[in-house]
Amino acid sequence: DTAVSQTPKYLVTQMGNDKSIKCEQNLGHDTMYWYKQDSKKFLKIMFSYNNKELIINETVPNRFSPKSPDKAHLNLHINSLELGDSAVYFCASSITLQAGGPGEQFFGPGTRLTVL
Amino acid sequence: SQELEQSPQSLIVQEGKNLTINCTSSKTLYGLYWYKQKYGEGLIFLMMLQKGGEEKSHEKITAKLDEKKQQSSLHITASQPSHAGIYLCGADTPGYALNFGKGTSLLVTP
Repeated sequence: DTAVSQTPKYLVTQMGNDKSIKCEQNLGHDTMYWYKQDSKKFLKIMFSYNNKELIINETVPNRFSPKSPDKAHLNLHINSLELGDSAVYFCASSITLQAGGPGEQFFGPGTRLTVL
Repeated sequence: SQELEQSPQSLIVQEGKNLTINCTSSKTLYGLYWYKQKYGEGLIFLMMLQKGGEEKSHEKITAKLDEKKQQSSLHITASQPSHAGIYLCGADTPGYALNFGKGTSLLVTP
């Protein structure tokens, strides 16, 4: 069974469009994340989210918004897509350790977004 | 903000050779994670280190965290083609997410 799944795997779209990437985890975790991996393979956190708190990386444009219908899902919505948004987007999940820190994070397979 | 520097950026080794990847932090590490990413796929968790001087091994991969908790190394013994991929070190941040280094790309040749 897939632990963290993302759809779609590939997304090709025009500049200016609005798109969403879906993420689901069946691990019972209470914290989920979105990361962006650029063309140089550099992986950067965009958001972390649990039931109580959304933490946003301040460098993320407000065109990006996470939406969580329930604990098992954290979707990424992107408005007015730009060329620079082309990247691979990874969803991840983990438990929230009492002592802080995410413990092991489980990653989805990634969504390759190409903006033309 | 914390920065993680990984070295080398890329590595090509012959099958059967040993290799080491280093990860150096600009600040004290409270949790250091090693992940492997196969080309075109997601990340696979390898190991987590939290205590100074800690060392963990899994199969032919050993990770260590130095006493000062600012540097970690990942050592692969007798490398195999299945070890090829991108190795990423990550550190805890206050927002529960991981701050990653830029990765080390490993290629193992026959």
